[in-house]
Amino acid sequence: SYELTQPPSVSVSPGQTARITCSGDALPKKYAYWYQQKSGQAPVLVIHEDNKRPSGIPERFSGSSSGTMATLTISGAQVEDEADYYCSSTDSSGNPGVFGGGTKLTVL
Amino acid sequence: EVQLVQSGAEVKKPGESLKISCKGSGYSFTNYWIGWVRQMPGTGLEWMGIIYPGDSNTRYSPSFQGQVTISVDKSISTAYLQWSSLKASDTAMYYCARHIYSYFGYGMDVWGQGTTVTVSS
Repeated sequence: SYELTQPPSVSVSPGQTARITCSGDALPKKYAYWYQQKSGQAPVLVIHEDNKRPSGIPERFSGSSSGTMATLTISGAQVEDEADYYCSSTDSSGNPGVFGGGTKLTVL
Repeated sequence: EVQLVQSGAEVKKPGESLKISCKGSGYSFTNYWIGWVRQMPGTGLEWMGIIYPGDSNTRYSPSFQGQVTISVDKSISTAYLQWSSLKASDTAMYYCARHIYSYFGYGMDVWGQGTTVTVSS
């Protein structure tokens, strides 16, 4: 079955740039989506269609995709950005709902 | 405002049946796929399946096919996730999520608040 691979953890100091990657063979042809899940809360969409930011999401969140890797970038990470981040996409056959394993972002 | 509001927490015994719900508002319910995501304690997100309220077309993850049933009542803008015989391993948080779709795949743009299901004897 199709898999998306994320690093288990990323750690930065406040104000630094955090980059979280998501690799998958179908990403050259399928969009990546990114979700933020804070402790005890439901996930929230932060990036859709590789690089589009929903309304209400701070500008410091951005997304990019090149080849088999999508990247979520948080420029000037804040303490309140500490959360688990998940990518999702679709496999090459069009089957939806593949999640990466999640990345725990620590900002301290 | 687009919203998905889920039913409340459930505590059940193994072997019992259960149906949880997710009510959509603020958008045209029949025009978007809506689906379910499981999160077991301390673990990541697992996609279970989706349904298109317009025609009840349903797609399941192979991991959940035959284990659960997804249904919809479009007259009340509500989607359901149902078990006929719960197991302790069904203990988890369950989220519903509106799906957006294009030629380049699916994503989830609006999420419900989650329903905790606890199965214990």
